[in-house]
Amino acid sequence: KAGVTQTPRYLIKTRGQQVTLSCSPISGHRSVSWYQQTPGQGLQFLFEYFSETQRNKGNFPGRFSGRQFSNSRSEMNVSTLELGDSALYLCASSLGVGDYRNSPLHFGNGTRLTVT
Amino acid sequence: AQKITQTQPGMFVQEKEAVTLDCTYDTSDPSYGLFWYKQPSSGEMIFLIYQGSYDQQNATEGRYSLNFQKARKSANLVISASQLGDSAMYFCAMREPVNTDKLIFGTGTRLQVFP
Repeated sequence: KAGVTQTPRYLIKTRGQQVTLSCSPISGHRSVSWYQQTPGQGLQFLFEYFSETQRNKGNFPGRFSGRQFSNSRSEMNVSTLELGDSALYLCASSLGVGDYRNSPLHFGNGTRLTVT
Repeated sequence: AQKITQTQPGMFVQEKEAVTLDCTYDTSDPSYGLFWYKQPSSGEMIFLIYQGSYDQQNATEGRYSLNFQKARKSANLVISASQLGDSAMYFCAMREPVNTDKLIFGTGTRLQVFP
């Protein structure tokens, strides 16, 4: 079974630009969530999507947005990039239904975004 | 507010020895889930073990076991027979409420295994 796939692995952008990151969940997983990892703030929850609807949202500015498609694939977009957006962006998927207690999140390899 | 605390920034252990990585948590909800993840230098977060707040027994997965002390709000990870490949960052995380995928992570512990 293929794992969570994130593309691209690395990205270099300039301040003010926008960027789109992609995440394909494990087959059969309907929930996709996104996390930002930085040395200063650690791992922080961005948002979660289930059945194409945002189910939960972290404390990030509106420049960070996401969406989920009918095949459960998800994209996140960051507009008007700032230097502080440089981070490892991790996507995770889970079944999203049923017994959550036994439904761990499985993460992808991440997209490392550098803003110059 | 939910919080995860990992007080050990770094740990060293000799190959084949056991090591305990500490994790304490704070929550007012009686229903929660606790996770441990391993993050090698490649960046991927690898799921290791899970403990539910209502689970009667401590979780075990191969060489990984969780020392869950609910009254003390601690969920320490024990790695037995350490291997060189265990060198990585280890994160403790809590899922709350249990029906979302929002995890609260600790700051992590960098484990280094030496021969």
